[in-house]
Amino acid sequence: DAGVIQSPRHEVTEMGQEVTLRCKPISGHDYLFWYRQTMMRGLELLIYFNNNVPIDDSGMPEDRFSAKMPNASFSTLKIQPSEPRDSAVYFCASSIVNEQFFGPGTRLTVL
Amino acid sequence: AQSVAQPEDQVNVAEGNPLTVKCTYSVSGNPYLFWYVQYPNRGLQFLLKYITGDNLVKGSYGFEAEFNKSQTSFHLKKPSALVSDSALYFCAVRDRYSSASKIIFGSGTRLSIRP
Repeated sequence: DAGVIQSPRHEVTEMGQEVTLRCKPISGHDYLFWYRQTMMRGLELLIYFNNNVPIDDSGMPEDRFSAKMPNASFSTLKIQPSEPRDSAVYFCASSIVNEQFFGPGTRLTVL
Repeated sequence: AQSVAQPEDQVNVAEGNPLTVKCTYSVSGNPYLFWYVQYPNRGLQFLLKYITGDNLVKGSYGFEAEFNKSQTSFHLKKPSALVSDSALYFCAVRDRYSSASKIIFGSGTRLSIRP
């Protein structure tokens, strides 16, 4: 199994632009999680899905952030418009029972 | 409410010496407990978990952790540290009886092993 796949691995954009991060979970996993990691705030859970349905989005920082999971093998996290304070590493993780399996992350830099 | 604390931001150990990375937790019920490791520019990797049974749990790369219910702790240990163990370590907890599947991560402890 290829594990959790995220794209792009690096994204550099300018303030105000739309950013879309993509995630392919491990086949058969029914939970998908989006996290953000920064030096200041550590690892934060943004949102998670169960069977493609959003369960808890209380960690989404503001309306500029949105996430979708149109099917069991694909999810997106969108930031529109992006701001410099959104610069972070964004991780996607999937799970079937307890332990979560993380992707390699997308390093986002907003100038 | 669930929470997990890693009281040390950094732990420094000489190669070959035993290491301990501390973790304490708080849940309303019985916990599921986890340790993850993050190497530079990588995602978190699962190391080990406590679900039930033996309080001493063995995991990847020679690591082990001991569940102590009375002290609400789940410290990570290794008898002999390697330079390659240098990384960021996260403890995590989930309430066994919670319907929510999310787990709560600690703030992380940076482990540095000197040759």
